Amino acid sequence: GAGVSQSPSNKVTEKGKDVELRCDPISGHTALYWYRQSLGQGLEFLIYFQGNSAPDKSGLPSDRFSAERTGGSVSTLTIQRTQQEDSAVYLCASSLRVLDYNEQFFGPGTRLTVL
Amino acid sequence: RKEVEQDPGPFNVPEGATVAFNCTYSNSASQSFFWYRQDCRKEPKLLMSVYSSGNEDGRFTAQLNRASQYISLLIRDSKLSDSATYLCVVNRRNQGGKLIFGQGTELSVKP
Repeated sequence: GAGVSQSPSNKVTEKGKDVELRCDPISGHTALYWYRQSLGQGLEFLIYFQGNSAPDKSGLPSDRFSAERTGGSVSTLTIQRTQQEDSAVYLCASSLRVLDYNEQFFGPGTRLTVL
Repeated sequence: RKEVEQDPGPFNVPEGATVAFNCTYSNSASQSFFWYRQDCRKEPKLLMSVYSSGNEDGRFTAQLNRASQYISLLIRDSKLSDSATYLCVVNRRNQGGKLIFGQGTELSVKP
């Protein structure tokens, strides 16, 4: 079956522009997670959704970052006024339910480069 | 200090070697433990969960010591296809499944 998909796969933008990253989770998965992976920082949690609500936004680095999920499915991560330090691979993952031991399935990521 | 620490690596080993990865975690509220594998420029994939009693999956053995807050992964008879970065991952009780990743240890298996 289809896995987690993300778009675009690559995004190059100029500093100060806004970007939107999209994640399409596995059908039926109620939990959705955003992480980012940058050189020297490893993989770090950004936000997760249970259905359409986001109980934990603690990992969002600044108020320039926001995310939403509609219809319990697709999620978008928006970065406003991008900065060079936002350059990273943004990974989305989904799991069947929000439980500690549930396997998370990752998408291929969006590689964001801010010039 | 990072919440999850791993051997910095990289590990370069010949085919057939046994290789061990070590990991420590600092938060005693950590509840579930995993090893993920990440190939170059690909997404992470679950290799195995780690249970208190230790668990084995073919050539892979994972151990957990809650008292020492230590996790290990042993790969026996390593193959060229085992070359990847191995990520030690934990999550904390009642944190909605949010994963905390170690920096990863790169493994290169040579012919």
